[in-house]
Amino acid sequence: EEQLVESGGGLVQPGGSLRLSCAASGFTFSSYAMTWVRQAPGKGLEWVSATSGSGGSTYYADSVKGRFTISRDNSKNTLYLQMNSLRAEDTAVYYCAKGSSYHYDSIAYFDYWGQGTLVTVSS
Amino acid sequence: QSVLTQPPSASGTPGQRVTISCSGSSSSIGNNYVYWYQQLPGTAPKLLIYRNNQRPSGVPDRLSGSKSGTSASLAISGLRSEDEAAYYCAAWDDSLSGPVFGGGTKLTVL
Repeated sequence: EEQLVESGGGLVQPGGSLRLSCAASGFTFSSYAMTWVRQAPGKGLEWVSATSGSGGSTYYADSVKGRFTISRDNSKNTLYLQMNSLRAEDTAVYYCAKGSSYHYDSIAYFDYWGQGTLVTVSS
Repeated sequence: QSVLTQPPSASGTPGQRVTISCSGSSSSIGNNYVYWYQQLPGTAPKLLIYRNNQRPSGVPDRLSGSKSGTSASLAISGLRSEDEAAYYCAAWDDSLSGPVFGGGTKLTVL
């Protein structure tokens, strides 16, 4: 059974950094694209970033481009999100989700999600 | 403000049929597949419908999805108390080169 477990969230000051991790199990991790989606308190879902199965291709929402970096270690079945220059508007629950195929493209979708980790940016 | 537009709320009584709409544009729903996710309170989203009208294994056939032009809808028949949740539509947006979500519809079972 597919399982995704996020960690690394917490309270950070504006301008600070945080690294999220997502440990995957129950499927061949390197065969699937992976993504991060966030949800601000009481708000809807917002796609943040994605990477192909190899990690060689990465994609970002305009709102985080240049500040966040997605990466993966297929030997450890783990997905990461390095978040720098954090702002108050980055406060959200961050979910990692498994893509439906190796590539991340217009026909990809997210078929399994983790429980999320809360990131709070506040002084 | 979300790229896809959903009604903020919907309601129905047990056994009823309810539909949730999702409106987009030619660059999103008009040219790409639509997906639907269910989010129970305090839990992660769960995939309900993929590629407009396909159900993953385990999703009951009383849930169905459809798409026409730049709009889509999710129908739930035989409404049950456990259907009370938030529902989100999603689609790829060609102009943004990424997926976009609706703002979510909170379904209440009266």
